[in-house]
Amino acid sequence: QLQLQESGPGLVKPSETLSLTCTVSGGSISSSNLYWGWIRQPPGKGLEWIGSISYSGTTHYSPSLKSRVTISVDTSKNHFSLKLTSVTAADTAVYYCTRPSHRTFGLVHTYYVDVWGKGTTVTVSS
Amino acid sequence: QSVLTQPPSVSAAPGQKVTISCSGSSSNIGDNFVSWYRQLPGTAPKLLIYDNDKRPSGIPDRFSGSRSGTSATLGITGLQTGDEADYYCGTWDSSLSGGLVFGGGTKLTVV
Repeated sequence: QLQLQESGPGLVKPSETLSLTCTVSGGSISSSNLYWGWIRQPPGKGLEWIGSISYSGTTHYSPSLKSRVTISVDTSKNHFSLKLTSVTAADTAVYYCTRPSHRTFGLVHTYYVDVWGKGTTVTVSS
Repeated sequence: QSVLTQPPSVSAAPGQKVTISCSGSSSNIGDNFVSWYRQLPGTAPKLLIYDNDKRPSGIPDRFSGSRSGTSATLGITGLQTGDEADYYCGTWDSSLSGGLVFGGGTKLTVV
């Protein structure tokens, strides 16, 4: 059974870069047709999609975060990563790594998340 | 403000049925498939419905989904106290902004 585990600093200073890693167990990160992604949830608020990366390296990022986000895959370590630059207090959230399913049928998209990590809390504060 | 609109809260008695609505536009729900998630306090969300009306393995048939035009609905029958949670709808948005978008979430209370 595929499992995801987030890791990284729980505290980041304003203006610095948030870096998280998601370790994949129970499966290979380089299997074809797979996607990997990140979603976050600020305290007391709803879910916010950050972005995803496909098995072929194609990335999709949230328009509101695109200028600050990078998602990458390290097949040798079977993990993928999130980097978010120039963080502010508004980036304080629980960050979930995810395994979304994303397919297109012509112009129609199906995109849903069927595997979630347990989440890791990141606080941005000096 | 969320791209998709859900009621902030709904409530119903144990054993009853409840529906949660999710309203969007032609560029998201109107064009793409909808999914639904349940989030129990302090835990990660869990997929309940995908592709508008399909249930993943292990999700009981008490949970159902439908889509009509630019709106979607999650139905839960035979409510249990353990169903108290936050529920989110999600779908792909095909506008220039693009990406996965969510509703603001609906808190279900079973009283």
